[in-house]
Amino acid sequence: AQSVTQPDIHITVSEGASLELRCNYSYGATPYLFWYVQSPGQGLQLLLKYFSGDTLVQGIKGFEAEFKRSQSSFNLRKPSVHWSDAAEYFCAVGSGYSTLTFGKGTMLLVSP
Amino acid sequence: GAVVSQHPSWVICKSGTSVKIECRSLDFQATTMFWYRQFPKQSLMLMATSNEGSKATYEQGVEKDKFLINHASLTLSTLTVTSAHPEDSSFYICSAGSAGGGSYEQYFGPGTRLTVT
Repeated sequence: AQSVTQPDIHITVSEGASLELRCNYSYGATPYLFWYVQSPGQGLQLLLKYFSGDTLVQGIKGFEAEFKRSQSSFNLRKPSVHWSDAAEYFCAVGSGYSTLTFGKGTMLLVSP
Repeated sequence: GAVVSQHPSWVICKSGTSVKIECRSLDFQATTMFWYRQFPKQSLMLMATSNEGSKATYEQGVEKDKFLINHASLTLSTLTVTSAHPEDSSFYICSAGSAGGGSYEQYFGPGTRLTVT
């Protein structure tokens, strides 16, 4: 069975500092990996996805993620965080037309 | 980009009544739609997978007679919560699957907040 672990429930980062959100997955085949962001009371917005090819994936809003098969990880990064990045971030794994399995999420707090 | 809408965005109903939530893919056809439930400060839990023209596939522990799903067209799926109770209060999110260019992703609706009093 596929699973996703986001070890950090919440993270606080100073505005302008770099950010890395961790995601580890368990999946039997080649995974499709996703990062979504959710603002309070809102749906999910896709930040980026990995299907194949270059393991460093660029997304929207200046985010990137790197797929490391040997570590079963797909960590999300941003070089300089803005106050508007404060939200909940979800990592998800799936394959083809199958369902997505989400991690429990990491709440990002941005301090001034 | 692909847009998915949900209606209503929030609803309050009395215990024992039924409420219907609509999920529409506005600019693409979705053969598969998904319904999720999200409790406060928790992740999304898949309730069911809905394929156009066929019966929905429910996840273990989800009562199919309580959460009725209909996927009558390639752009519309509905979730009806029957005989709602306060414990059904939650945030319900749908998504629509789209494939193309060798990739696949789900596009999420903005969610529906259900409060049962």
